[in-house]
Amino acid sequence: DAEITQSPRHKITETGRQVTLACHQTWNHNNMFWYRQDLGHGLRLIHYSYGVHDTNKGEVSDGYSVSRSNTEDLPLTLESAASSQTSVYFCASSGSRGETQYFGPGTRLLVL
Amino acid sequence: AQTVTQSQPEMSVQEAETVTLSCTYDTSESDYYLFWYKQPPSRQMILVIRQEAYKQQNATENRFSVNFQKAAKSFSLKISDSQLGDAAMYFCAYRSPFYGGTSGSRLTFGEGTQLTVNP
Repeated sequence: DAEITQSPRHKITETGRQVTLACHQTWNHNNMFWYRQDLGHGLRLIHYSYGVHDTNKGEVSDGYSVSRSNTEDLPLTLESAASSQTSVYFCASSGSRGETQYFGPGTRLLVL
Repeated sequence: AQTVTQSQPEMSVQEAETVTLSCTYDTSESDYYLFWYKQPPSRQMILVIRQEAYKQQNATENRFSVNFQKAAKSFSLKISDSQLGDAAMYFCAYRSPFYGGTSGSRLTFGEGTQLTVNP
């Protein structure tokens, strides 16, 4: 069965370190998205991609970057981790027509 | 920009009873999609139900149904015969229409409603 996976599931890092969160989908979806979830804010869009080599900023993109070198993967990089980036991160994907988004299991990140 | 509002941070229901979760949204678009996602303690985001704005008929999925009022920009979720497994955070989400080309639209989420089911 097609799926979307994220790794690691839990991560503890220190302020100032670079961190990369992986997202891999086997749906063959063109569209991929990264969200963060914080109490009182629901899910907020960080970055998204509509295809290989395409990336776009979402509403909370400062301090984050993504790159899309193939259809299956959209890694999210925190260039210099900050305590404000402690959150749960979700990756999602959807087909080209933007139908239902399917979500990964999430990554819980703690920045000390 | 579109906004989604869930005015009930918490709701509770007795097992086997019916509960309705509220969602309102603001948009200038005439065609769009609305979703309800469920997030249990495992944190997995699970699609519950989806509604296309151009469809007048309310979507239903087993015990889950929606009351879609386009003019009022309201999209409530009704859960009938509530079960203990329905306890979760529920998120309402909005998506703009597909315009062709590379438009794979983003979701805008409400802040969520925490549903407790009492035995």
